[in-house]
Amino acid sequence: EPEVTQTPSHQVTQMGQEVILRCVPISNHLYFYWYRQILGQKVEFLVSFYNNEISEKSEIFDDQFSVERPDGSNFTLKIRSTKLEDSAMYFCASTTGQINTEAFFGQGTRLTVV
Amino acid sequence: SQELEQSPQSLIVQEGKNLTINCTSSKTLYGLYWYKQKYGEGLIFLMMLQKGGEEKSHEKITAKLDEKKQQSSLHITASQPSHAGIYLCGADYNAGNMLTFGGGTRLMVKP
Repeated sequence: EPEVTQTPSHQVTQMGQEVILRCVPISNHLYFYWYRQILGQKVEFLVSFYNNEISEKSEIFDDQFSVERPDGSNFTLKIRSTKLEDSAMYFCASTTGQINTEAFFGQGTRLTVV
Repeated sequence: SQELEQSPQSLIVQEGKNLTINCTSSKTLYGLYWYKQKYGEGLIFLMMLQKGGEEKSHEKITAKLDEKKQQSSLHITASQPSHAGIYLCGADYNAGNMLTFGGGTRLMVKP
């Protein structure tokens, strides 16, 4: 069964460092998303991406964040200068269409900023 | 008040018992998604509901969307320990698949 895969599963980084979280969406999907979940809190939408452009972003997704689809398979989330409060589980998701379609999530990358 | 509220926050049931989890929205829903999450892991897609009155089932899990499209219920029949986890509802408010999630319902099933 096709699935969204994320790497690494766990990343520890020092405050101020840049991190790149990687996702391989399901191969025939066209819309890609990043969400995050701070420990003990709700899953929150960060950004959606389609046709090599950001479609929507939340207020969480500030200038420290960027997304890219560098090739035909990977979808990345970069945090330029990590802060302690960036520590969270980051989930990638993908869908075939923009509406009325099932959204499949990856297993997540646990980011710990120390 | 929260846009999307789940109840109860946690639930402990004896194996074999039925249970219901509710998800209530303060805004009109375009679509409603149900996911299951095990602690520290990813979200497993369960069901997507769009039309008022829609009902879907998968194995022993049934989800319904209220006709006014502001509430959904997830019902598990004859619960098993494998049903344990955190159940999340996610609301699509603007037909864009950007989901707003509820706080989750933590389910424990006692053997």
